[in-house]
Amino acid sequence: SQTIHQWPATLVQPVGSPLSLECTVEGTSNPNLYWYRQAAGRGLQLLFYSVGIGQISSEVPQNLSASRPQDRQFILSSKKLLLSDSGFYLCAWSYSGGDAFFGQGTRLTVV
Amino acid sequence: GQNIDQPTEMTATEGAIVQINCTYQTSGFNGLFWYQQHAGEAPTFLSYNVLDGLEEKGRFSSFLSRSKGYSYLLLKELQMKDSASYLCAAEQTGANNLFFGTGTRLTVIP
Repeated sequence: SQTIHQWPATLVQPVGSPLSLECTVEGTSNPNLYWYRQAAGRGLQLLFYSVGIGQISSEVPQNLSASRPQDRQFILSSKKLLLSDSGFYLCAWSYSGGDAFFGQGTRLTVV
Repeated sequence: GQNIDQPTEMTATEGAIVQINCTYQTSGFNGLFWYQQHAGEAPTFLSYNVLDGLEEKGRFSSFLSRSKGYSYLLLKELQMKDSASYLCAAEQTGANNLFFGTGTRLTVIP
């Protein structure tokens, strides 16, 4: 069966510090991978998606970036965090845009 | 572009029935998902509609009208544990992602 792992679960970082969130999927090959952000009182906002190794599509311009160094690994990064980057970050995978399976999320607080 | 609208909040009584509506506008629409999300947790899949009509799954049912760009999620025999956000998401043909609404926060009261 397929599983998705996302860590850390919670993170408190100072403004201006770097960020690295990691997501890995097991039990499937060549999945579509996604990073979403959910800010307080808002819905899920798609940040990045990837259909293959090294292929990243950005949906929203911001100071975040994503990388896919391996087929089942998706990393969300920032060089310098802003207060507005606080939120709940969710990694997800799917087969070609169908039903998305979510990781447990990372609650990021930038202070 | 894509646009998905659903009410921000709803309140219903334990044991009652509640209907959460979702309207969408998207080019190349393929299907409509509903997810449940408890506070601080990841969304979990509830239903998927491709064809017009009602899909029933236990206490939860979902309806789709493609011509009207409209869907609803029906929750029967409400339980306190049903208090959560319910997210509507549209699947676009040929796209690689889902477009989510902002979610409807349902509060079930005794």
